[in-house]
Amino acid sequence: AQKITQTQPGMFVQEKEAVTLDCTYDTSDPSYGLFWYKQPSSGEMIFLIYQGSYDQQNATEGRYSLNFQKARKSANLVISASQLGDSAMYFCAMREPAVKGSQGNLIFGKGTKLSVKP
Amino acid sequence: DAGVIQSPRHEVTEMGQEVTLRCKPISGHDYLFWYRQTMMRGLELLIYFNNNVPIDDSGMPEDRFSAKMPNASFSTLKIQPSEPRDSAVYFCASSLRQRSTDTQYFGPGTRLTVL
Repeated sequence: AQKITQTQPGMFVQEKEAVTLDCTYDTSDPSYGLFWYKQPSSGEMIFLIYQGSYDQQNATEGRYSLNFQKARKSANLVISASQLGDSAMYFCAMREPAVKGSQGNLIFGKGTKLSVKP
Repeated sequence: DAGVIQSPRHEVTEMGQEVTLRCKPISGHDYLFWYRQTMMRGLELLIYFNNNVPIDDSGMPEDRFSAKMPNASFSTLKIQPSEPRDSAVYFCASSLRQRSTDTQYFGPGTRLTVL
């Protein structure tokens, strides 16, 4: 079973509008971290935002916010006021603790390709 | 602060040649990871180190791949001999620790093409 699911292979958004990229995860551990990375066409992997499973508030970093719904096991990325430079692949990832045989490695989803239209 | 540094950024080589990819992690980070990214398989963890010691190399595809970390500021991933199916982007990443709260920071990647 996939641990990280990103159901939207591709998304379009109009410049200056907000967009939500979906991510659901699967874990039985109460302690975990959720991460979003951006990969522009130039290829680098850029860390955007982190949400801890025990965090009471949704994480925010500038125009990025994470809509964390723990009971639904979803961690959607919201980008406000989209810019042309936001066009990229976006990866959701999860990290479990390095205990009980788990190495605590980062598990990635397959990504969503976001295209921002002028 | 400097991020993770990788070299070269691009490498084109012929089948059978030896390829060496290099990585300098963020200073003070105890963990270093090597990933491979392809269209077919996405991001795959190849190997990771803790304090220069390889901890899990179960992702290394075969004996042609080897990785070393001689000191805290340098790691190499070597492919010998290289094959066309090794063509991919290879990322190095580092993190402070291996807790669920620790962010992995990636280098810019090395795009390897084996002809």
